[in-house]
Amino acid sequence: DIVMTQYPDSLAVSLGERATINCKSSQTVLSSSNNKNYVAWYQQKPGQPPKLLISWASSRESGVPDRFSGGGSGTDFTLTISRLKTEDVATYYCQQYFNIPWTFGQGTRVEI
Amino acid sequence: QVQLQESGPGLVQPSQTLSLACRVFGDSINDGGHYWNWIRQPPGRGLEWIGYLHSTGSTSNNPSLNSRATMSVDPSKNEFSLTVNNMTAADTAVYYCVRGGWFEAFDIWGHGTMITVSS
Repeated sequence: DIVMTQYPDSLAVSLGERATINCKSSQTVLSSSNNKNYVAWYQQKPGQPPKLLISWASSRESGVPDRFSGGGSGTDFTLTISRLKTEDVATYYCQQYFNIPWTFGQGTRVEI
Repeated sequence: QVQLQESGPGLVQPSQTLSLACRVFGDSINDGGHYWNWIRQPPGRGLEWIGYLHSTGSTSNNPSLNSRATMSVDPSKNEFSLTVNNMTAADTAVYYCVRGGWFEAFDIWGHGTMITVSS
């Protein structure tokens, strides 16, 4: 199985400041056939299902604010929230869809 | 707008079988364009992919469930189902039905249904 490890487990950021979440996969999730990274990022608020923010490591979903950005390649990935807002308080998960079983990171809680 | 809606018993006794259903609105399971998944989340914990099915009949399960999970589809209802046998307390979780898989992330999620295993 590909293990996805996020760090930190939690972080506190001031409103308007930058939050950066890291995700490391235990093996590459970069496809040599299409040069795409099979990594997604999700946001989950209490009592709600996860919401897809970013796919292919850096492609923002429609309707997701541009303060959310994804980066990285191979085994190391980041999710950055450039100017934290109150509504961004949530738990964030990375996930690989490169190999079965598809796996998630353990989650990173973002607080104010 | 695509929506997924889970239905289930809420409470399952230990060693019994769980049966869940997911009705799909705004998309057709049969058109073959997507994979249809079950994902679960124990209280206060992270996400675990259970398995997928595709309209071609292709299925795949997470080995972590030790072959206890089975998925099927009812095209007439545009609905897919999950059964998990020999349930234990460790299976207590919110169960989500989710669209996505090969060549796409999990883009559409149901609201989830809480399943508690207890006598």
